[in-house]
Amino acid sequence: QQQVKQSPQSLIVQKGGIPIINCAYENTAFDYFPWYQQFPGKGPALLIAIRPDVSEKKEGRFTISFNKSAKQFSLHIMDSQPGDSATYFCAASMLEGGGNKLTFGTGTQLKVEL
Amino acid sequence: KAGVTQTPRYLIKTRGQQVTLSCSPISGHRSVSWYQQTPGQGLQFLFEYFSETQRNKGNFPGRFSGRQFSNSRSEMNVSTLELGDSALYLCASSQGLAGGAQETQYFGPGTRLLVL
Repeated sequence: QQQVKQSPQSLIVQKGGIPIINCAYENTAFDYFPWYQQFPGKGPALLIAIRPDVSEKKEGRFTISFNKSAKQFSLHIMDSQPGDSATYFCAASMLEGGGNKLTFGTGTQLKVEL
Repeated sequence: KAGVTQTPRYLIKTRGQQVTLSCSPISGHRSVSWYQQTPGQGLQFLFEYFSETQRNKGNFPGRFSGRQFSNSRSEMNVSTLELGDSALYLCASSQGLAGGAQETQYFGPGTRLLVL
């Protein structure tokens, strides 16, 4: 079954804290793992993505850690700011029918308080 | 480059009616995917079109259909609307390169459909 499990469902941290969002998958055919950020009233926007042959990727304050053997990956947000308050979705992509198909986690609502 | 655009942004329909949503991809992108987003089910894949052909389909009933035009613009149609079809419908575009599982999909702002 093509599922991506995401936790926690919601998260509240203080400004400057490091929220961590975790995802796990089963299907080893997934070969691309993007994270999307979504603000109310907007579509999801790509934040950062990783391939399974890389264990960590950092872009600015956002870091993905990837554990291929455990089939788990996580998003860390360093020095979190109130402007980071949004819903975060992990996703996994695989080739199917000649095209790429994204399977999303259930989302994490992050609130960063002052 | 202009982003993915979707029209209309908001729509109210009644049960039994049908609806057509439109998506214009980023210029040069040939693949368009559609997703349904609801609080209960999250983001679920509907279908993907590339070069006017449906390449992939999610687990939705046949009431949900789509098409793509030669300029890569896409429409999705939902017939015989049900209350449960109330959702945010998102369109995403990508270049559609061969073997492109690692391609980024860029999302539009969505069309919010309310079925009464």
